[in-house]
Amino acid sequence: GESVGLHLPTLSVQEGDNSIINCAYSNSASDYFIWYKQESGKGPQFIIDIRSNMDKRQGQRVTVLLNKTVKHLSLQIAATQPGDSAVYFCAENIGPGGSYIPTFGRGTSLIVHP
Amino acid sequence: KAGVTQTPRYLIKTRGQQVTLSCSPISGHRSVSWYQQTPGQGLQFLFEYFSETQRNKGNFPGRFSGRQFSNSRSEMNVSTLELGDSALYLCASSPALTGGPAEGKKLFFGSGTQLSVL
Repeated sequence: GESVGLHLPTLSVQEGDNSIINCAYSNSASDYFIWYKQESGKGPQFIIDIRSNMDKRQGQRVTVLLNKTVKHLSLQIAATQPGDSAVYFCAENIGPGGSYIPTFGRGTSLIVHP
Repeated sequence: KAGVTQTPRYLIKTRGQQVTLSCSPISGHRSVSWYQQTPGQGLQFLFEYFSETQRNKGNFPGRFSGRQFSNSRSEMNVSTLELGDSALYLCASSPALTGGPAEGKKLFFGSGTQLSVL
């Protein structure tokens, strides 16, 4: 999962397995959360988001779970494919009237083995 | 809709020089923000511009500056380059409407400018 250390956490999985990437966020006032995917040589791309009034949201092959009690987010990727290999970042945002600048986690590198 | 465009894609400079990076946001997006990405520090926020005004600023020295034009295009400048400035510089645009829905804070990133300082 995410870490504040200097080393990027890495998750290695086999193609077809389910992947779970975790993120601990810092601000209890954060009310909107986004997962981004960054492939090599590209900028981060939006994957899925969730508001704080929800605890689960599903997309295509991805699910985000939010536990506000322990300030924890997770991203679940079903039937992981080699194209899912990338660095995944979570980002937390404060509500309307607050800063529009998200706080990013350190990222988790997902490696999918064929 | 065209995505966020950053130029140049790669840049090599020497210490002491200055550099200007350019970003064209998605049409209709009024907020442009800049990030520095390094392996050791991750994504670090530099500054954000909205309607030609700097609205937020990160914790970087004054050598890092930026501006936004009336068409929302943005530039960032780094003067007196240091070796530690070597990084991927990412630009992101956002609708970011004041008081708008949370989804207005979604960032759309360009592919970045890879700056190497020798």
